[in-house]
Amino acid sequence: AQKITQTQPGMFVQEKEAVTLDCTYDTSDQSYGLFWYKQPSSGEMIFLIYQGSYDEQNATEGRYSLNFQKARKSANLVISASQLGDSAMYFCAMRVSGNTPLVFGKGTRLSVIA
Amino acid sequence: DGGITQSPKYLFRKEGQNVTLSCEQNLNHDAMYWYRQDPGQGLRLIYYSQIVNDFQKGDIAEGYSVSREKKESFPLTVTSAQKNPTAFYLCASTPGRMPTEAFFGQGTRLTVV
Repeated sequence: AQKITQTQPGMFVQEKEAVTLDCTYDTSDQSYGLFWYKQPSSGEMIFLIYQGSYDEQNATEGRYSLNFQKARKSANLVISASQLGDSAMYFCAMRVSGNTPLVFGKGTRLSVIA
Repeated sequence: DGGITQSPKYLFRKEGQNVTLSCEQNLNHDAMYWYRQDPGQGLRLIYYSQIVNDFQKGDIAEGYSVSREKKESFPLTVTSAQKNPTAFYLCASTPGRMPTEAFFGQGTRLTVV
């Protein structure tokens, strides 16, 4: 079984600063994918970034980057140059190979302060 | 535009009544999923279907039922056996066997009074 742990229920960051949201995972599968989603107050789930277990480079998408440390089983999300619109819930999730369900962590609520 | 449509966005029901939440996708995805989200919580898997006419229970299937008669549709029925049905329900789909991201609908907020 897969498990995702997000230990930060809430985080605050000053506008224009960088912030790191923590995520650790547990699985016995060798082939898996790690995902980050953003959920604003409207409730929609917005896909941010993906990292495959065999990817050697850390994934980046604009202001988002994923700090993937396979030996530590961690997949932290780094948001650079925070904006007020980044205030939302952030979920880390994983899927193993095959058409299997995403398993989610409990999320981190990020608040960006002007 | 391709996507996942959940309806309705808000739903109110009296305690003891069954209610069905709709989820339709035109992405030609094989697999579909239902998740439940409670305030301040992560998403918990209710049911999922990897192919038409087949589905599996997730972590919190008790009190729910589903059907998958068409590839495009995966309705969720919240039965009167579900002890605490008030929650936000999200439907998702994935295209295939590669670990690609899941695509989500806008969600249905169910309130039982």
